[in-house]
Amino acid sequence: SQQGEEDPQALSIQEGENATMNCSYKTSINNLQWYRQNSGRGLVHLILIRSNEREKHSGRLRVTLDTSKKSSSLLITASRAADTASYFCATDAVSGNQGGKLIFGQGTELSVKP
Amino acid sequence: DAMVIQNPRYQVTQFGKPVTLSCSQTLNHNVMYWYQQKSSQAPKLLFHYYDKDFNNEADTPDNFQSRRPNTSFCFLDIRSPGLGDAAMYLCATSRTGTYQPQHFGDGTRLSIL
Repeated sequence: SQQGEEDPQALSIQEGENATMNCSYKTSINNLQWYRQNSGRGLVHLILIRSNEREKHSGRLRVTLDTSKKSSSLLITASRAADTASYFCATDAVSGNQGGKLIFGQGTELSVKP
Repeated sequence: DAMVIQNPRYQVTQFGKPVTLSCSQTLNHNVMYWYQQKSSQAPKLLFHYYDKDFNNEADTPDNFQSRRPNTSFCFLDIRSPGLGDAAMYLCATSRTGTYQPQHFGDGTRLSIL
């Protein structure tokens, strides 16, 4: 069953602006991860946030996690044309020996115009 | 650079003709995954291996099989491809454990004639 829902489905911004993508999920998790996918390519891991963490930064990326609301957000600051890609959240659900299995959300398609 | 390599990048096959997709890794990760991704959709896990221990997802069609002859290689066999199997197939690896990111290959785009 699908775990994550992402919002918005598509986002178009100008270079230099910030981009915020949101992810909601349904069950308890060990961690939540964000991935980027350029057109026709594989997914690239961006950042992992554990269930006991509330915020994490990596370069221009900021991820928040609210386990009480079962939601996460990814903020990309000072966006660049090269950030144009699809962004997926993925949850590693707490369930027996399933550690490591990820369930992906539907993704947000980000377009950054020069 | 250590990486996950998928061959071929593009594969065309005929309806009903068996096809094999391959994945190799130099990361020495003991977990390998196969995902199916259709256009503008989320990757969907088909199966994964913990070492040689095979784990099939409940909704993966019987038409899909997999082999992992050693740590480095993993194959996806589609026995009788249908038009609905046209998709991008992604291979990924990770270390065992809860807080491990997955490393993806660039995928094989499969077309069915």
